[in-house]
Order: sequence, then C-alpha cells, then structure tokens
Amino acid sequence: GIQVEQSPPDLILQEGANSTLRCNFSDSVNNLQWFHQNPWGQLINLFYIPSGTKQNGRLSATTVATERYSLLYISSSQTTDSGVYFCAVESAVGAGSYQLTFGKGTKLSVIP
Amino acid sequence: DAGVIQSPRHEVTEMGQEVTLRCKPISGHNSLFWYRQTMMRGLELLIYFNNNVPIDDSGMPEDRFSAKMPNASFSTLKIQPSEPRDSAVYFCASTLTSTYEQYFGPGTRLTVT
Repeated sequence: GIQVEQSPPDLILQEGANSTLRCNFSDSVNNLQWFHQNPWGQLINLFYIPSGTKQNGRLSATTVATERYSLLYISSSQTTDSGVYFCAVESAVGAGSYQLTFGKGTKLSVIP
Repeated sequence: DAGVIQSPRHEVTEMGQEVTLRCKPISGHNSLFWYRQTMMRGLELLIYFNNNVPIDDSGMPEDRFSAKMPNASFSTLKIQPSEPRDSAVYFCASTLTSTYEQYFGPGTRLTVT
C-alpha cells in the first residue's frame, strides 16, 4: 500500500516562530488532508489539498503531486498550535476507495 | 451543523465483556469509516461503509470485532469479547464521496482491564 512519511517527528518552537512540516508519499493520490490533533485528542481538519496551495489564516499548505510531497506552513506560532499534525492520503491506485492512510505525525510543542 | 457524534466518549470495561461503540455521521454524508488509534500503530482504518454497505473490512483485527450500519444515520462497532489489547481510541469519520474530505468525531477512549 501507499507509504506516508512525515518529518520532523518532533518540533519545539518558541511562540511567534514559523515552521514547515513535510509529508512525503509513495504513490499518486486522489486525496490529501492535513489534520491537527489537539491535546484533547480531537482530530481537526486543516486542509483538503490533493494539489496546489491553500491558506487559512496563519496556516497554509502546498502539495506538489508530481513530486509526491506536501508542506504545511505555520506562521507566528501560538501555544494553541501545539499538538500532533497528521498528513493522510488516499492512493489513486484503486481509485474510489476513499481510504485514508495516515502518517505517524509531527508532534509540535510551542512554548511561551 | 452538528459534526460526527460518537458515544460513549469514555468506556472502561473488564476483559471478556462486550463493548459497543456508536457513531452518528454528518447528515447527508454517504460514507462512514471506523479508525483505531494506538501509540504503537498510530491511526489505522478498521472498516468503511458506502451507502450503508460495508466495502472493506480488511482492517478489522479479529472476528471479535464487528460493525454494522443499519441506516444512513447510525453505525456501531462491537467488540466481543473484549481484551486488554483492544484498549485504544476509536474514531468514526464520515464523508460525502463526491468531495473526499473526511470529518472525524471526537473519539471513544476504550480501556479494557
């Protein structure tokens, strides 16, 4: 099946700093989503971005499907950004399965 | 608009007992997914339904696990008998298949002692 690798596994930031999280995947994808799992365990949709660039406030994401990677940018980080960020993809092989494969996540800690 | 609803939020049970987890998807969504999250294995798909029909249950770990979706607004995941290694957070997610984007419920934290 499709492989999803996220880097870095852990990241500690000073409040106000910027960061880039990366997601590499091994096959063509129909679906790519970024999620934030907050300290209470809730999985929150950030972006649905199988290709292109999107922005939402301090967050933005870019997926270069031809090169099989996606980036999540966090600018002016806040303590509320802490948690685990997951990249999840649906392989284009066997299209229509709608099954997401998750990476292991990047654990972000923003310190005041 | 209400999101995906799961109950109970927490469940503590003894080994050998039956456990039933419940999920109400977002109204109008036609696909529903059950995931399990553990420290060791991360987030893994157990089973998914499309238009109430189970499509792929290859992720269900054992025959002790079963899932049903009797109608478009309700699904259950049952474990019988439960074992300590079933302890995990179980998430339900739903999507409208024309849009792909999956939305997750708050999860059920299951502890089997």
